[in-house]
Amino acid sequence: AAGVIQSPRHLIKEKRETATLKCYPIPRHDTVYWYQQGPGQDPQFLISFYEKMQSDKGSIPDRFSAQQFSDYHSELNMSSLELGDSALYFCASSLDWQAPTGELFFGEGSRLTVL
Amino acid sequence: TQLLEQSPQFLSIQEGENLTVYCNSSSVFSSLQWYRQEPGEGPVLLVTVVTGGEVKKLKRLTFQFGDARKDSSLHITAAQPGDTGLYLCAGASSYGGATNKLIFGTGTLLAVQP
Repeated sequence: AAGVIQSPRHLIKEKRETATLKCYPIPRHDTVYWYQQGPGQDPQFLISFYEKMQSDKGSIPDRFSAQQFSDYHSELNMSSLELGDSALYFCASSLDWQAPTGELFFGEGSRLTVL
Repeated sequence: TQLLEQSPQFLSIQEGENLTVYCNSSSVFSSLQWYRQEPGEGPVLLVTVVTGGEVKKLKRLTFQFGDARKDSSLHITAAQPGDTGLYLCAGASSYGGATNKLIFGTGTLLAVQP
């Protein structure tokens, strides 16, 4: 079965640079979530989109932005990168009406390293 | 702010032993999920519990949701090295709708020695 696809899997950037992460949800899933997981930390919710509209916002820095496109893929844009942005970034998707109990399906993550 | 505390944070046991991981909160959740995460990989859903007092079994894993839907436990019987990983509980505060934002627990890192 198709899973959530994230790209790139690994990304190395310098401080103050910009990075873009992409997420392709499971086909027909209408909701996308972004999570950030620092070393040894639990995943922290950043932002979510439902039917291409932002549906919820968590601890996402103002330097970050995200959007969901007409084909339901999502991109997380990170600017003015800081060392503390180094983390695993997970995208998850769900088909909202079929998952009212909250199950999310996660991608394998994109590891961002800021030098 | 809803918080989910897991205990223990770290657990190293021998193959064949039993163990229990706890997930506690002062908040009520509409549902609670347990995920298992391998290093560098995304969390993989193990189970969802919805009803207070609910017990679900998945092979050697037994999951229970507290009566008040504020806590949960994961019991593993006869642990095997393949059970090694980070176990995360996650609570959903929405009964569906546009957002099923999950609040993750602090995680329990389990190592099962052969």
